[in-house]
Amino acid sequence: EIVLTQFPGTLSLSPGERATLSCRASQSVSSTYLAWYQQKPGQAPRLLIYGASSRATGIPDRFSGGGAGTYFTLTIRRLEPEDFAVYYCQQYSASSGFTFGPGTKVDFK
Amino acid sequence: QVQLQQWGAGLLKPSETLSLTCTVYGGSFSGYYWSWIRQSPGKGLEWIGEINHSGSTNYSPSLASRVTISVDTSMKKFFLIMSSVTAADTAVYFCARVALRNNALDSWGQGTLVTVSS
Repeated sequence: EIVLTQFPGTLSLSPGERATLSCRASQSVSSTYLAWYQQKPGQAPRLLIYGASSRATGIPDRFSGGGAGTYFTLTIRRLEPEDFAVYYCQQYSASSGFTFGPGTKVDFK
Repeated sequence: QVQLQQWGAGLLKPSETLSLTCTVYGGSFSGYYWSWIRQSPGKGLEWIGEINHSGSTNYSPSLASRVTISVDTSMKKFFLIMSSVTAADTAVYFCARVALRNNALDSWGQGTLVTVSS
């Protein structure tokens, strides 16, 4: 099974700052099948990024994804108040199915 | 725009069977895979399994022995059955659509809290 590790566990920032979140895989992941989600309390996760770097429908361009192989990043260029949430990376492989990282919480400094 | 609405029993006793339904509104049902995911404080987000409109399924190996996912394409519904639940199965359960070509989960149900307690 492919295990995803996310770091940092918590990122304490202020509105307007840049956030960089990391996701590391235990073995190489196809970029096609790497996604990022945002989750707020009491809500379902919302797809932000698919294919490692493509924004989902309606996602602002301050969100960007990158990386390949075993290391991927999600960058939020300038944090808006509504961006304070938990972010998860997710991969799909034929051997492991879907697996998720443990999440990074972005909270107010 | 596709919307997923889910429901099912929220309180179960150990050894009982969990049963959830997800209905798809808007958009196409055929051609996609439809998935179940759960989220518990102890284990985070965990994929349970998926099904397509013709009934082809894939399951998480860790849950396959207790899980059945089925579909009613005419009603645009899919179902989760999990047998012999324990307290470890307490979680919020989500249904979701699997996007074509990239297997991202692009639409989600609202979630159902299932608590297993004697």
